[in-house]
Amino acid sequence: GQQVMQIPQYQHVQEGEDFTTYCNSSTTLSNIQWYKQRPGGHPVFLIQLVKSGEVKKQKRLTFQFGEAKKNSSLHITATQTTDVGTYFCAGRKTSGTYKYIFGTGTRLKVLA
Amino acid sequence: DTEVTQTPKHLVMGMTNKKSLKCEQHMGHRAMYWYKQKAKKPPELMFVYSYEKLSINESVPSRFSPECPNSSLLNLHLHALQPEDSALYLCASSTGLLSSSGSNEQFFGPGTRLTVL
Repeated sequence: GQQVMQIPQYQHVQEGEDFTTYCNSSTTLSNIQWYKQRPGGHPVFLIQLVKSGEVKKQKRLTFQFGEAKKNSSLHITATQTTDVGTYFCAGRKTSGTYKYIFGTGTRLKVLA
Repeated sequence: DTEVTQTPKHLVMGMTNKKSLKCEQHMGHRAMYWYKQKAKKPPELMFVYSYEKLSINESVPSRFSPECPNSSLLNLHLHALQPEDSALYLCASSTGLLSSSGSNEQFFGPGTRLTVL
């Protein structure tokens, strides 16, 4: 079945350092979403990427969708303590289903 | 109102109990979802409703029974659960069942933390 893996599983950074999480799908995706889940909270939508090679920015966050539409990345510049949480990608297959498969997640800890 | 509400927040039940989880949204969304999330794991899709009809059942055991009484409400009826069913149950909604390019943002509720004894 479709698998969506993320690396790293965990990342501890000093406040001000950059952070990147990578998302890899075993199949080609129609589009990909990114969510953030704070400790004890629920997933909150960050962004959706649709086009091959697409790059989108939200303040300190940069999202990329790979040319083959099988991978994606989220990069945070100059992390802050408010960035703490688990970042999930969620990919949708190109056909046959309306569902999104969540990636394994990357848990980010930011040390002040 | 861009909120999905879920009740109860916490639920403890025995293996012989019958209980229900409730989810409500007033954003006019026509797709609603149930997810199960174990600690330190990603959300796993259980059911999807579109226009109050069940569209996807991810081979969920029959001890979980979803219901969508109207476009704003989604229930999950629980009966004869096992301890391994203890998890956070998340409800989500989106505008519809999904175009390939339109925004398919899922709005999640805060979840019900279920413990089965």
